[in-house]
Amino acid sequence: DIQMTQSPSSLSASVGDRVTITCRASQSISSYLNWYQQKSGKAPKLLIYGASSLQSGVPSRFSGSGSGTDFTLTITSLQPEDFATYFCQQSYSTPLFTFGPGTKVDIK
Amino acid sequence: HLQLQESGPGLVKPSETLSLTCTVSGDSIRSTTYYWGWIRQPPGKGLEWIGSVYSTGKTHSSPSLKSRVTISVDTSNNRFSLSLSSVTAADTAVYFCARLSRSLVLVPAATFFDYWGQGALVTVSS
Repeated sequence: DIQMTQSPSSLSASVGDRVTITCRASQSISSYLNWYQQKSGKAPKLLIYGASSLQSGVPSRFSGSGSGTDFTLTITSLQPEDFATYFCQQSYSTPLFTFGPGTKVDIK
Repeated sequence: HLQLQESGPGLVKPSETLSLTCTVSGDSIRSTTYYWGWIRQPPGKGLEWIGSVYSTGKTHSSPSLKSRVTISVDTSNNRFSLSLSSVTAADTAVYFCARLSRSLVLVPAATFFDYWGQGALVTVSS
């Protein structure tokens, strides 16, 4: 099984900050890495697929990078609506999938 | 506009079977492009993929749940269903249904869950 880890597990940031979240896979997953945003009480929302492709309708302040085992989600200028929990998910082992444990971004 | 809606009992007794249905509107579940999946989230915890189903009825399930999971598709009514047997308190969670899409931005295709239902809380308790 491919295991996913994320760091940090939580972070506090201010509006306008640049935020970086890291996701690591237990083995190489090439670029088969997706990122989701989840707000409290809501369903996850797809942000990034294939490690760096921005989902339609997602603001350009979100970007993804990485390949192999190490990946990054960057928010260039944090907005009030970006306070949420972010999950990575590997699709290398399609049709089997695993998610990371999540990173909670809250207001400093 | 694609919408997915979970439905089913919110309370299930231990050792019984949890059953949920996801009704899809705005797209045909017969589409050969997509799989349809179930993901769950225990209160305050992370996301766990349960399994996926194709319009032909072909399924894939998480190895950790496979012995208890049945996923089926009803193309006539544009919906798919989840059954989870022998439930315990550990199965208490919000259960989401979602569409599994793919993109040739990568080869083989990248796959991802692009549309989600709002989620249904299922509590296992006597």
